[in-house]
Amino acid sequence: AQSVTQLDSQVPVFEEAPVELRCNYSSSVSVYLFWYVQYPNQGLQLLLKYLSGSTLVESINGFEAEFNKSQTSFHLRKPSVHISDTAEYFCAVSEDFGNEKLTFGTGTRLTIIP
Amino acid sequence: GAGVSQSPRYKVAKRGQDVALRCDPISGHVSLFWYQQALGQGPEFLTYFQNEAQLDKSGLPSDRFFAERPEGSVSTLKIQRTQQEDSAVYLCASSFTEQFFGPGTRLTVL
Repeated sequence: AQSVTQLDSQVPVFEEAPVELRCNYSSSVSVYLFWYVQYPNQGLQLLLKYLSGSTLVESINGFEAEFNKSQTSFHLRKPSVHISDTAEYFCAVSEDFGNEKLTFGTGTRLTIIP
Repeated sequence: GAGVSQSPRYKVAKRGQDVALRCDPISGHVSLFWYQQALGQGPEFLTYFQNEAQLDKSGLPSDRFFAERPEGSVSTLKIQRTQQEDSAVYLCASSFTEQFFGPGTRLTVL
């Protein structure tokens, strides 16, 4: 069985400061890794994904995540956050791409302090 | 529409009532998933359809939960004899290569 751990339930960060949201997973097989974002009063949106190839993946709004197989981690980072990044971030894992259930972490609420 | 839609967006039920939650997936998406998100938690898998076939229902918490997708498009999640612990946001996602989520239905059982 697969599982995802997000140790930080809340992360407050000053505007324009860097941030890292931690995600660790466990699985007995190869996995696909995802970060989803949920803005206030909106549905879950895919932020970025790791399927194969380069272990560093990037989103269009400046976030990046690095797949580290030895540490079973997929931490999300951004060098400089904006007020608009305030949201709940969920790390998720699946054993297939598209047609397999996602296992989510409990989420990290990112709050940007002006 | 362009995305996954769910209705109703909010539902209040008295304990013991039956409820039906609807999901309209993105046109052409073969796969459809239902998840349950309790307050302060991440979404948890309930069930999965490929076209009209329910291939995985291992996440349904009890036999009071039932899902169907008779024509391989719209899906309905039905909860019979609702209990307070059923209060949650129910999310639907459809997929061709990646899962797109609807806005969810927030169910409150009094």
